[in-house]
Amino acid sequence: SQQGEEDPQALSIQEGENATMNCSYKTSINNLQWYRQNSGRGLVHLILIRSNEREKHSGRLRVTLDTSKKSSSLLITASRAADTASYFCATDATYNTDKLIFGTGTRLQVFP
Amino acid sequence: DGGITQSPKYLFRKEGQNVTLSCEQNLNHDAMYWYRQDPGQGLRLIYYSQIVNDFQKGDIAEGYSVSREKKESFPLTVTSAQKNPTAFYLCASSIQEATLNTEAFFGQGTRLTVV
Repeated sequence: SQQGEEDPQALSIQEGENATMNCSYKTSINNLQWYRQNSGRGLVHLILIRSNEREKHSGRLRVTLDTSKKSSSLLITASRAADTASYFCATDATYNTDKLIFGTGTRLQVFP
Repeated sequence: DGGITQSPKYLFRKEGQNVTLSCEQNLNHDAMYWYRQDPGQGLRLIYYSQIVNDFQKGDIAEGYSVSREKKESFPLTVTSAQKNPTAFYLCASSIQEATLNTEAFFGQGTRLTVV
């Protein structure tokens, strides 16, 4: 079963706007990761946030984690057409750290 | 160049045939994973392996088999028992720390179509 559920399923914005995607998960975790997938390609790791961290930045990416609500958000600031892709959250689980479980993804379309 | 390589990129299978998807990595990673992705969907875990000669079933292992005879290689066989094998298959690898996963590196995927 999938651990994470992303919201919204699809998001369309104009270049320059910010894009926010949310991820909810079910069990306690050690870390949460965000990945990007261009159409028909493999996934690329964006950022990892550990369960004892609340916020992390990487370039135009900002990730927050609220373990009490079992949720995370990914913010892409000043979006570009090249940011068009699907974005997935992935978690391990404290009861089984061997498995990396992915959510259902958010499809982001950025219009020039 | 270090990386993870999947082959072939496209694969066509006749009904009733077994096919094997290749996944090779030269990152010296201990952990390897196979995922299945259906159109517009997330990734579902088929099998994973933490060390050589050991592997565990994921959430949708029925109709699939794997082997891990070498650290670098984790081939996936889609058997005739898999009733709906048409999908995009992704292989990944990661360093396995004691209790914390690190980032996973993905291959470019194999698109399998049953004809």
